Amino acid sequence: GEDVEQSLFLSVREGDSSVINCTYTDSSSTYLYWYKQEPGAGLQLLTYIFSNMDMKQDQRLTVLLNKKDKHLSLRIADTQTGDSAIYFCAENYGAGSYQLTFGKGTKLSVIP
Amino acid sequence: GAGVSQSPSNKVTEKGKDVELRCDPISGHTALYWYRQSLGQGLEFLIYFQGNSAPDKSGLPSDRFSAERTGGSVSTLTIQRTQQEDSAVYLCASSLGDRASETQYFGPGTRLLVL
Repeated sequence: GEDVEQSLFLSVREGDSSVINCTYTDSSSTYLYWYKQEPGAGLQLLTYIFSNMDMKQDQRLTVLLNKKDKHLSLRIADTQTGDSAIYFCAENYGAGSYQLTFGKGTKLSVIP
Repeated sequence: GAGVSQSPSNKVTEKGKDVELRCDPISGHTALYWYRQSLGQGLEFLIYFQGNSAPDKSGLPSDRFSAERTGGSVSTLTIQRTQQEDSAVYLCASSLGDRASETQYFGPGTRLLVL
């Protein structure tokens, strides 16, 4: 079945870049997503990338997609303490294209 | 504008009792989704509505779980005879349509604890 894998924890110093990695298994995925979840809050869509793209940049966020290796990464430049959260990678799958399969999330801790 | 809202925000119940969780999607969003977030399990898809119809109930973990949506708006997820393993955060999301390009907007979730 479909599976999305992420490392569980990442710790970086304030001002450094953070790179959160994700691997997925479904080569028919159309869109891949990054969501952010702050403590006690729901999920906030950060960005998404269409599967025929290699890179997408949005302010401090850069998404890289290696479709051959089924590898997705999220780079946060100049990481701030407010970026501390859990980051979920998700893919859509299936003909309906509405179901999202999520990874278990990477907890990013930013050290001041 | 208002986002997706869910109620209650927290629910503590005793094993064996029934619970109802409510979701108010963003106005005008035709698609609505329920997910469950358990410790160590990530997010699991439960059920999806397009309008008032649920074309895909494949994620519901057992027949104790049911959901309905009325008026193409509010949805209720009901768990009957709750078990301790039902303890989780139940998240609702809505989107304008159900294509992959439509962003799913999530509510804050209902934290359910079954004692």
